[in-house]
Amino acid sequence: DIQMTQSPSSLSASVGDRVTITCRASQSISSYLNWYQQKPGKAPTLLIYAASSLQSGVPSRFSASGSGTDFTLTISSLQAEDFATYYCQQTYSPPWTFGRGTKVEIK
Amino acid sequence: EVQLVESGGGLVQPGGSLRLSCAASGFTFSNYWMGWVRQAPGKGLEWVANIDQDGSDKYYVDSVKGRFTISRDNAENSLYLQMNSLRAEDTGVYYCARHGSRCFNYWGQGTLVTVSS
Repeated sequence: DIQMTQSPSSLSASVGDRVTITCRASQSISSYLNWYQQKPGKAPTLLIYAASSLQSGVPSRFSASGSGTDFTLTISSLQAEDFATYYCQQTYSPPWTFGRGTKVEIK
Repeated sequence: EVQLVESGGGLVQPGGSLRLSCAASGFTFSNYWMGWVRQAPGKGLEWVANIDQDGSDKYYVDSVKGRFTISRDNAENSLYLQMNSLRAEDTGVYYCARHGSRCFNYWGQGTLVTVSS
């Protein structure tokens, strides 16, 4: 199985900060990497698919890049509604594994 | 508007069975792969199973193989997860999700499964 390692596991940031989350795959997954946001008590929502494609309706302050084994999600200017947990997911081969998540908290 | 509504969760004893359902609307259900994802209390997301458009191709995470069965009824716009031989570690919220471009682009609100004596 492909292992997905996210870092950091949590971070504290202020509104307006630039935030970067990384995700590393245990083997090459080409660009089959997605990013999800989950708020407490809610279902996850898709932010980014295919490593860098912004899902319709997602604000442009979210961006992502990477291919192969190393990927990043960037929030250019953190907003109050962005405090949540973020997960990466590989869909290169089943099982479609998720990272353990990065919790973004208010500083 | 795409809607996915799960049902069928509840409290079940270890070794018991439960059948989850997901009612889909707002899109042509038979055109899409579908999947189930679960989340143990306070933990991260775990992909459980996928099924193709006509139900002929299915994939499972190793921990549920032989115990869980994903299926669908395209005439009823419904997705199912039959869960047998349930264990405490199967406890969590189960989400139904629609596939997009090798991703899950729509999710239901989830249904809670608790396995406990």
